[in-house]
Amino acid sequence: AQKITQTQPGMFVQEKEAVTLDCTYDTSDQSYGLFWYKQPSSGEMIFLIYQGSYDEQNATEGRYSLNFQKARKSANLVISASQLGDSAMYFCAMREGLGGGADGLTFGKGTHLIIQP
Amino acid sequence: NAGVTQTPKFRILKIGQSMTLQCTQDMNHNYMYWYRQDPGMGLKLIYYSVGAGITDKGEVPNGYNVSRSTTEDFPLRLELAAPSQTSVYFCASRGHKEADTQYFGPGTRLTVL
Repeated sequence: AQKITQTQPGMFVQEKEAVTLDCTYDTSDQSYGLFWYKQPSSGEMIFLIYQGSYDEQNATEGRYSLNFQKARKSANLVISASQLGDSAMYFCAMREGLGGGADGLTFGKGTHLIIQP
Repeated sequence: NAGVTQTPKFRILKIGQSMTLQCTQDMNHNYMYWYRQDPGMGLKLIYYSVGAGITDKGEVPNGYNVSRSTTEDFPLRLELAAPSQTSVYFCASRGHKEADTQYFGPGTRLTVL
């Protein structure tokens, strides 16, 4: 079974609208971290937001927020007031185990977001 | 600070050739990683290291080798290149705190013909 599932291969959104990118995860660990990365067409990986499994508040970073529903094992990214520059691939990723460990990230297949003027 | 740097940016190899992808970080991070990204896919972990002299396999280690002689450098070696190794390779590093994110290098685009 996939550990990270992103069910939206592609999305078209009008500029200035809010957009939600879906991510569900599968783990038996009690301690884990969830990450979202943006990959523009230039190819670099840009960190957006982090949510720890024990964090009680949903993470927010500027226009980005993470809708964390632990019981449903979902960690959706919400982008408010979308901009043309938000057009990119977006990846959800998980790190399992204790946060201080060296475990690598497991990535989903990504969602290609296109913002239309 | 330069962050995580990778060389080369692009490379074309013939089947059976060898090469080393270089990765250097200047953030004094103990943890370093190599990932590959195939077209239209997410990243997959090849190898990782928790410090100088210590490395371990990730999800897709076959066909690769790594070494970690210093904190700063984490080179990835391809011994006998195969077309299946055509991919974009990313190096990353992170600190040891729970919320520390991984910082990625710009990537190396490798084509094996």
